[in-house]
Amino acid sequence: AQSVTQLDSHVSVSEGTPVLLRCNYSSSYSPSLFWYVQHPNKGLQLLLKYTSAATLVKGINGFEAEFKKSETSFHLTKPSAHMSDAAEYFCVVSENDYKLSFGAGTTVTVRA
Amino acid sequence: TAGITQAPTSQILAAGRSMTLRCTQDMRHNAMYWYRQDLGLGLRLIHYSNTAGTTGKGEVPDGYSVSRANTDDFPLTLASAVPSQTSVYFCASSDSVESSYNEQFFGPGTRLTVL
Repeated sequence: AQSVTQLDSHVSVSEGTPVLLRCNYSSSYSPSLFWYVQHPNKGLQLLLKYTSAATLVKGINGFEAEFKKSETSFHLTKPSAHMSDAAEYFCVVSENDYKLSFGAGTTVTVRA
Repeated sequence: TAGITQAPTSQILAAGRSMTLRCTQDMRHNAMYWYRQDLGLGLRLIHYSNTAGTTGKGEVPDGYSVSRANTDDFPLTLASAVPSQTSVYFCASSDSVESSYNEQFFGPGTRLTVL
């Protein structure tokens, strides 16, 4: 069975400072992992995905994530937060089929 | 390209009434999905469809039904709405069901309130 735990329900950062969103997963297989972003009153947009190639994955808008099998983690980072990064972020795992398991989400607030 | 469209954008519904949430995609994706989003729970899969003519149950299927008469449309029906079905509903699609690598594309959502 697959599951995801997002370790922070809310993260607040100042504009221009780094962002770290933590995600741990549980999977019986070699999973695919995704990060999605949801801006207020919008649908979900894919930020990046890991599919067993490079362990450091670069996504859109300057985000990246590193897959660490030994730690069962897939943390999302960005070197410098922008006001437009204020949103909800979901870590998602998929095993050997198309069914996704979502984390509960992390709300990011960016202070001016 | 519109991607995925959902209708209505929002709806207030009396308990006991029926309602169909509409979803249409123009990407010719084989697989389609319905999720509900509730605070603190992320998104949970209600029903899915591998291809036109087939459907399957997700994590929280009770009280909902779906049909897939063609590739593009995947309506979700609440036969007799209850207040616990108050949620935001997202439709999604993906290219192939054979791989977990495939990104799912999401619609803008339908906000449903059952009173």
